[in-house]
Amino acid sequence: KQEVTQIPAALSVPEGENLVLNCSFTDSAIYNLQWFRQDPGKGLTSLLLIQSSQREQTSGRLNASLDKSSGRSTLYIAASQPGDSATYLCAVSRMDSSYKLIFGSGTRLLVRP
Amino acid sequence: GAGVSQSPSNKVTEKGKDVELRCDPISGHTALYWYRQSLGQGLEFLIYFQGNSAPDKSGLPSDRFSAERTGGSVSTLTIQRTQQEDSAVYLCASSLVSTEPQHFGDGTRLSIL
Repeated sequence: KQEVTQIPAALSVPEGENLVLNCSFTDSAIYNLQWFRQDPGKGLTSLLLIQSSQREQTSGRLNASLDKSSGRSTLYIAASQPGDSATYLCAVSRMDSSYKLIFGSGTRLLVRP
Repeated sequence: GAGVSQSPSNKVTEKGKDVELRCDPISGHTALYWYRQSLGQGLEFLIYFQGNSAPDKSGLPSDRFSAERTGGSVSTLTIQRTQQEDSAVYLCASSLVSTEPQHFGDGTRLSIL
């Protein structure tokens, strides 16, 4: 059974810091991995999607890496801003059910001005 | 609208009542998904629709839960004889096809008294 773990559960940093969020999964037979952002009372916004054959994806100040063999992904946020404050969720899908996202419990990020 | 629309945004009901939650996917999206987000269990997959068919309903917690999709568009999730443990945020997502990224609505927050 695929399990997804995110560490840390919560993180508070001053504005301008670079930071790393971690995601690990137990079964390396994934179809893809996605990072989402969730603001309070809102749905999920997809940030980055990494196919199983890829090693990383970048979008602006965000960079996500994937190491399937070790079952790990990291989300790097450069020069953090107060507007980055949100909960960040990692989700994987399996090769045999690519439509089904399996989520971690999230990292709650606070960027202090 | 351009995004996934869910209604109602909030629902409070008494234990034992039936509730119906609605999801309007992005126009043209053939795949539709329901997820549940609760404090104790995180974000869990409930059911996947391809067109009007549900090839995977493995995440529905009990036979009190059912869902349908009509016209390849709107979907309703029905919970019969609600219990307090049904209290959660119910999120709907859609994608162009099942292998494409999923776009989420803002959810329905369900509270069972």
